[in-house]
Amino acid sequence: GAVVSQHPSWVICKSGTSVKIECRSLDFQATTMFWYRQFPKQSLMLMATSNEGSKATYEQGVEKDKFLINHASLTLSTLTVTSAHPEDSSFYICSARQTNSPLHFGNGTRLTVT
Amino acid sequence: QKEVEQDPGPLSVPEGAIVSLNCTYSNSAFQYFMWYRQYSRKGPELLMYTYSSGNKEDGRFTAQVDKSSKYISLFIRDSQPSDSATYLCAPAPGDYKLSFGAGTTVTVRA
Repeated sequence: GAVVSQHPSWVICKSGTSVKIECRSLDFQATTMFWYRQFPKQSLMLMATSNEGSKATYEQGVEKDKFLINHASLTLSTLTVTSAHPEDSSFYICSARQTNSPLHFGNGTRLTVT
Repeated sequence: QKEVEQDPGPLSVPEGAIVSLNCTYSNSAFQYFMWYRQYSRKGPELLMYTYSSGNKEDGRFTAQVDKSSKYISLFIRDSQPSDSATYLCAPAPGDYKLSFGAGTTVTVRA
């Protein structure tokens, strides 16, 4: 149980284009979803917290107009990297949880911006 | 000072050895204590989850929490090459907003 699916697993895009990453909880309804970013050999950095039906809460230093988060249902959240640049290249990971349960993570999306 | 301090290693042990990992934290609001395992280019996988001081055992894994000293540990008995990964401690307050340690890279040599 508690499977989180993330798609795509990797994507290459050109600078200036936008990329959408999907995060789905397959066998449970996720009250909250979190989006993380991880650079090589570093730990996960929280970008934003997403609750179904409400606006995401962004961490300090994360541009909300650049990283658009939509949590349209209890099983789906999306992260759109708008006008991507090479410095946005990273490993993006989503996580989801039910009420009073620990987080389960997706397998991440490796974004490369050329 | 970081909220969660974890020695990044790397840590290399022979197969069958006990792996000992630990973290310290500074936030007294942390109520939940998780350990995740992350293989290269994969998302973290939940290994252990505790919410009180004491020990919790699951197969070859034992998690220890000492809230009085703000110290958390993970022990892996009879380590296997497949245990080679990065281990992340991740305490959280009531809203489960995780704070990750740096992660310790472990290699178990066959």
